[in-house]
Parts: sequence; C-alpha cells; structure tokens
Amino acid sequence: DIVMTQSPDSLAVSLGERATINCKSSQSLLYSPNNKNYLAWYQQKPGQPPKLLIFWASTRESGVPDRFSGSGSGTDFTLTISSLQAEDVAVYYCQQYFNTPLYNFGQGTKLEIK
Amino acid sequence: EVQLVESGGGLVQPGGSLRLSCAASGFIFSSHWMSWVRQAPGKGLEWVANIKQDESEKYYVDSVKGRFTISRDNARNSLYLQMNSLRAEDTAVYYCARISRRDGYNDGFDYWGQGTLVTVSS
Repeated sequence: DIVMTQSPDSLAVSLGERATINCKSSQSLLYSPNNKNYLAWYQQKPGQPPKLLIFWASTRESGVPDRFSGSGSGTDFTLTISSLQAEDVAVYYCQQYFNTPLYNFGQGTKLEIK
Repeated sequence: EVQLVESGGGLVQPGGSLRLSCAASGFIFSSHWMSWVRQAPGKGLEWVANIKQDESEKYYVDSVKGRFTISRDNARNSLYLQMNSLRAEDTAVYYCARISRRDGYNDGFDYWGQGTLVTVSS
C-alpha cells in the first residue's frame, strides 16, 4: 500500500498571505512512460463533499482559481494558495492514484484564518 | 450538468445490512469507473471500493472485503453498495464519486454526490 502523509495537520494563515500544504508518499508517484505524477488535491468545506482542485500533481481542474497551484514530483508534493481568501477555509486532502484501481488519501490538513 | 445523488443510508444495528444507491445523470455513466468513498464523523476521507465500466473489475479497501459488494446498472445509470455484517466502525457518510478519465488515463474523482449517512449502532 502507498501511504500518504500530509503536513501540517492544521494551519492558520492571514488573509492575503501564502498557504503551503505538503504531501509525502511512501513510494514514487511518477510514472516514467508518460512522465506524469499520479497525485490529486481536494478541498472540502464544512458540510460539503470534496472538490477536485488539482490532478497530475500540477494541473488545475476547470474553474479552480489560479491562486491554487500544485507542485512536486516523485514522493514530495505541495499545494500552494498564493493569496488566502476567506472562502479557502477548508480541509485539504492529497490522493494518490498511481496504484489504481486502489486509491489512498492523506489524513487531511485543516486550513484556517489567522 | 453532472449529478450524483446517493440514497439508502440510515440507522442499522451491528451485524445488519444496508444497500446504498447512487443515481447518476448528466454524463455517459457507462463510460466511467465509479467509486464509493466514506468519511467517519470528524475524520478524513477513506476510499472504499471501485468498479469498472462493465463490472468486470471490482476493488475494495481491506477493511470491507468480504462484507461489502459494489455493483452498477448501466441501463439505470445507477451505482450500488451492498453492505453486510456492518460494524460500528462503518459509521460514516458514504459518497459516490465519478473517476475522471483524461487522455486515456483515469485520474482523480471529479464529481461527488452529497453523501448519505450510515450509522451502525444498537
């Protein structure tokens, strides 16, 4: 099994500041034949289902604001919110799909306003 | 507009059974792998099961193997999860999710239902 570990577990950032969430996988998510990293990021607001933000580690889903960006390769990945807005308060999850059809999520990172 | 609507949740005693349904609309249901994901109260997301378009492949998280069965009816645009021998630790909101397919590859879960709550308690 691929284990996904996020850090930190919670984070408080001031409005307009940068928020950075890390995700580490227990094995590489880079598939050499297509040079793609099999990692997604989700946002879950209270009382709502998760929403796909980023796939292939760095590709934004349609409609996702460009203040959200994903980076990293192999085993280490980062979700960055360049300028935090009030509506970004949520729990964020990374997910590997390298081992599909088995999927694993990270434990989640709770993002709050400082 | 893509929509996924779950139903069938409720209160069940330990050892009991429940069948969840997910009605899909707004896309070609038979073209996508589908999945169930659950979230225990106050906890994170846990992938539960996947099913291929033609039901020829089904996969489960270890904790539900032998107890849960995923199935689908492409004619009815519906996904199901039969849950038997339920335990307290199965208490969760269960989400139906569509697995995205781009450039010939499956990637993330691009559409989710609102979820249905399953409570296992005596």
